[in-house]
Amino acid sequence: QVQLVESGGGVVQPGGSLRLSCAASGFTFNTYGMHWVRQAPGKGLEWVAFVRYDGSTKNYAYSVKGRFTISRDNSKNTLSLQLSSLRAEDTAVYYCAKDHDIGGYFDYWGQGVLVTVSS
Amino acid sequence: DIQMTQSPSSVSASVGDRVSITCRASQGIRSWLVWYQQKPGKAPKLLIYAASSLQSGVPSRFSGSGSGTDFTLTISSLQPEDLATYYCQQANSFPYTFGQGTKLEIK
Repeated sequence: QVQLVESGGGVVQPGGSLRLSCAASGFTFNTYGMHWVRQAPGKGLEWVAFVRYDGSTKNYAYSVKGRFTISRDNSKNTLSLQLSSLRAEDTAVYYCAKDHDIGGYFDYWGQGVLVTVSS
Repeated sequence: DIQMTQSPSSVSASVGDRVSITCRASQGIRSWLVWYQQKPGKAPKLLIYAASSLQSGVPSRFSGSGSGTDFTLTISSLQPEDLATYYCQQANSFPYTFGQGTKLEIK
């Protein structure tokens, strides 16, 4: 069965950096696009970033562009998100999510990892 | 960006009721619309994709309709386990955007 397990969350000071990882199993990782989606405490869902199955294309939300970097290692079935220049408004649960067969929809999600930006 | 607006923001209904939630896009998105269900403390779950296609394993009481700018999620007979927040999301173009959510409560 498909499993997505995030790690790397924690508390970081404003302006700091953090790297999130998502370990994928149960599907052919190198044939699906992958996403990061976040949810601030008590708030709605916000799409953050996408990487194509082969890593050739990446897209970002305007709110994180230039500060966050999505990447993948298909040899290790791992998705990553490098968070830099963090702000208080980046505090959220971060989910990795797998693209649906027809793309654009998220058919499997991880359990989420909490990132708290605070001094 | 394409703005997604859901209504109502919250709804309270009784078991067995028919419940509808609407989602409007700020510009046409053809059928690139998906509905998710999120229960408290859990990750979202895909219910309906491509506006009206039921995801495998999702009960048939859930259905979706619409195209262009106006979409509807309908629960034909509300069950206690449907207590959740429901989100629509457009996948027509980046950046993908979500509606603000509709909180469904059981009377």
